[in-house]
Order: sequence, then structure tokens, then C-alpha cells
Amino acid sequence: QITLKESGPTLLKPTQTLTLTCTFSGFSLSTSGVGVGWIRQPPGKALEWLALIYWDDDKRYSPSLKSRLTITKDTSKNQVVLTMTNMDPVDTATYYCAQSNNWNRAFHYWGQGTLITVSS
Amino acid sequence: DIQMTQSPSSLSASVGDRVTITCRASQSITTYLHWYQQKPGKAPQLLIYAASSLQSGVPSRFSGSGSGTDFTLTISSLQPEDFATYYCQQSYNTPRTFGQGTKVEIE
Repeated sequence: QITLKESGPTLLKPTQTLTLTCTFSGFSLSTSGVGVGWIRQPPGKALEWLALIYWDDDKRYSPSLKSRLTITKDTSKNQVVLTMTNMDPVDTATYYCAQSNNWNRAFHYWGQGTLITVSS
Repeated sequence: DIQMTQSPSSLSASVGDRVTITCRASQSITTYLHWYQQKPGKAPQLLIYAASSLQSGVPSRFSGSGSGTDFTLTISSLQPEDFATYYCQQSYNTPRTFGQGTKVEIE
């Protein structure tokens, strides 16, 4: 059974750095073809893809946010970490991590999401 | 970036209705197109991957078709649990863009 769960702070002040951890089970990020991505959703709005990391440490970022994002993996801990610098109230959203692959590249399994609020 | 445009943005339908949602890509994405269902307060769930492959555990009333730039999600007979928002997503390249969503409401 594949599960993913996001963890991190729930409230940040503007200009702070967000660090989110995705802890997963039921698969390994050392397995060829496997990836984990991050997607966010502002309240009442659509999904927005942020970043993706593959088993071979190939990393992809949203061009509009690339300067603020870093994605890393810790295979031994079954974790993927996303950092986003210089947080702003417009970054208030539910942040999801999800498992992908490099065959069909869909997000087959999702975490429950974590709401991050940015407010002074 | 590849732009994904869904239509309609919302629709009202009754239980038992056949429902069709379309998704158009701004350039060819072959069949790197996926459909997700999202209910309020819940994470999205994959319904269809690679344009027409049914995700394991998803009811057969859901189907997908299309290739290139034009895609369709069809619900053959709408059930009460199908009232939700549906998103398409392309994975032809990065950024892996989503459509704006289609909200299916009870008529």
C-alpha cells in the first residue's frame, strides 16, 4: 500500500522560508522510474504544479517559481523535502506531494495535503 | 508552458446523465494527458492516465479519449458520488500544467 504524507509549519510570516517534508511508504525513490512531485492549490482555485524529483536525482521546477524552490530527496528516510523562500500571502495554499513515474508521468498517489497560511 | 483549457468550467447534471468534459492543449501532447477527480477538502485522485487508461479501482463508467491536443472525459451514467471537480493535466513536458477545473454540480 502506497501512502504519502506532508508535514511542515501551518503558519508563516511574509519573507520566511517554507520547508515541507513528504514522508512516503510502499515504494522506494531508489527504484528506476519513480518520482515524487509537489503540487499546490490556493483556496478555491486550481491545482498548480511546483516541482518534481526522480529516482536518479533529476529535478524539475516550475519556471515561474524556480528561483525560490529547492527539492531534495533522502532515500534512506523515504522523504522528499521542498523548500520555498521568500513566502508571500499569495503562497497561501494547500500543498500536496504525489508519486509519479517516468513512463506515463501521471500522479498516481497523493498525500492528504497540508494547508500553509502566510500572514503577518 | 503548455496551456490546458477545460470546458465547461462548470455544469449541472442529474443522476444517470451522461457527462462529457473536454480538455484542449495549446500544443500536441500525444497521449500524456491525465484526469483527476477532487472532492471538497480532499486530495485529487487519479481517474484516467495516458488519455484512456483507467486507474485501478476506478469505476468503468469513467472513460477517456483523445490524442494530440483534444481530449475528453466521459461519465456514462452520473452517480451521486461523482459530484466533484475534475482536472486534466499534461505530462508531455515540464511544467506539468493542469486545466482550470470543471465543477460538476447537482441539477
